[in-house]
Amino acid sequence: GESVGLHLPTLSVQEGDNSIINCAYSNSASDYFIWYKQESGKGPQFIIDIRSNMDKRQGQRVTVLLNKTVKHLSLQIAATQPGDSAVYFCAERQNNAGNMLTFGGGTRLMVKP
Amino acid sequence: GAGVSQTPSNKVTEKGKYVELRCDPISGHTALYWYRQSLGQGPEFLIYFQGTGAADDSGLPNDRFFAVRPEGSVSTLKIQRTERGDSAVYLCASSSTGIRGAFFGQGTRLTVV
Repeated sequence: GESVGLHLPTLSVQEGDNSIINCAYSNSASDYFIWYKQESGKGPQFIIDIRSNMDKRQGQRVTVLLNKTVKHLSLQIAATQPGDSAVYFCAERQNNAGNMLTFGGGTRLMVKP
Repeated sequence: GAGVSQTPSNKVTEKGKYVELRCDPISGHTALYWYRQSLGQGPEFLIYFQGTGAADDSGLPNDRFFAVRPEGSVSTLKIQRTERGDSAVYLCASSSTGIRGAFFGQGTRLTVV
């Protein structure tokens, strides 16, 4: 079936640099996307979301970009900090799937001091 | 507490045994979700409650899995005749505003030996 996936399983960045985590999705019926951060031993934590009628949304140090033409989602983290080290998941909701989210496989972000 | 609480944190059981996993949602949250996360993968949807009723149980893998929420607050995920393939982290989330505002608990790590 259609699913959400990620290009890179591990991303290593220098502290202070910007990070970009990518996600490809294949379900054109998805209308809503969320990025989550998951630290070891903890549940996923909401970072930022975006609806399919938008192509960009900004939060504090984070920006999500949505390209529906190529079914691509990215999370940009500005001035990456050691506390940003975690696994990041994108998740999509199909527009007829109510409250069910489909998660991708995750990207591990490692921040080097 | 202020967050979603899941008990136990860890559960080791023998193949074929019955287990119950408990979720205490944030007070006042009417929506409750169960997800399952295998090692190195993103969470997979199991079931969604709105109040006391299961609004969507399409993610339950088979009839060995069952969940209840009798009073619209605490939920219990029940697994009968456990199999080694059931080993995973079981995550619970609750929300008052739908999936966007959902907060996840830390999960219960189930190991079937």
